[in-house]
Amino acid sequence: EDQVTQSPEALRLQEGESSSLNCSYTVSGLRGLFWYRQDPGKGPEFLFTLYSAGEEKEKERLKATLTKKESFLHITAPKPEDSATYLCAVQGAAGNKLTFGGGTRVLVKP
Amino acid sequence: DGGITQSPKYLFRKEGQNVTLSCEQNLNHDAMYWYRQDPGQGLRLIYYSQIVNDFQKGDIAEGYSVSREKKESFPLTVTSAQKNPTAFYLCASSENTYEQYFGPGTRLTVT
Repeated sequence: EDQVTQSPEALRLQEGESSSLNCSYTVSGLRGLFWYRQDPGKGPEFLFTLYSAGEEKEKERLKATLTKKESFLHITAPKPEDSATYLCAVQGAAGNKLTFGGGTRVLVKP
Repeated sequence: DGGITQSPKYLFRKEGQNVTLSCEQNLNHDAMYWYRQDPGQGLRLIYYSQIVNDFQKGDIAEGYSVSREKKESFPLTVTSAQKNPTAFYLCASSENTYEQYFGPGTRLTVT
């Protein structure tokens, strides 16, 4: 059974204080690892897909990396508008199903 | 604008009543999904459909039913058999096995 664990559960940052979120996973035949951003009361917003170990993707202040066991979402010089819950999910060889982690709630204070 | 719409945004029902949540997409995606999200928890898959007139149970299908009569639409019925129906329900769609795109969600409260 695919499993995803995200840490920490919550993260409080000062504006400009860079940090990283962790997503550890076990999956049978990784097809893709996905990062989403979710604001309170809204649906998740797609950020990145990573397909193989060593791959990296960037978008503004966010950078996602992937190894064979975990993925990191690095937030560089965050701003208050980066406050959100960040969700990680994996898709295994079994099909379209995504398995989600519990998310990391990030609060960036000015 | 292409996207996924869910209605209504908030829904209130009495215990013992069935309720249907709407999900429509105009992205021309073949696959559609229903997830449930509880406070502080990740998303859990209820049902998914990869093609019209076909759907499969996810991890927590008990007490729910779906239909897929049109490519654009994938309604979810929460039946009275669902023991803890109060939750945030999210619909998503994807092009085959690629990334899933989510709708804005429906918050269902059953009292």
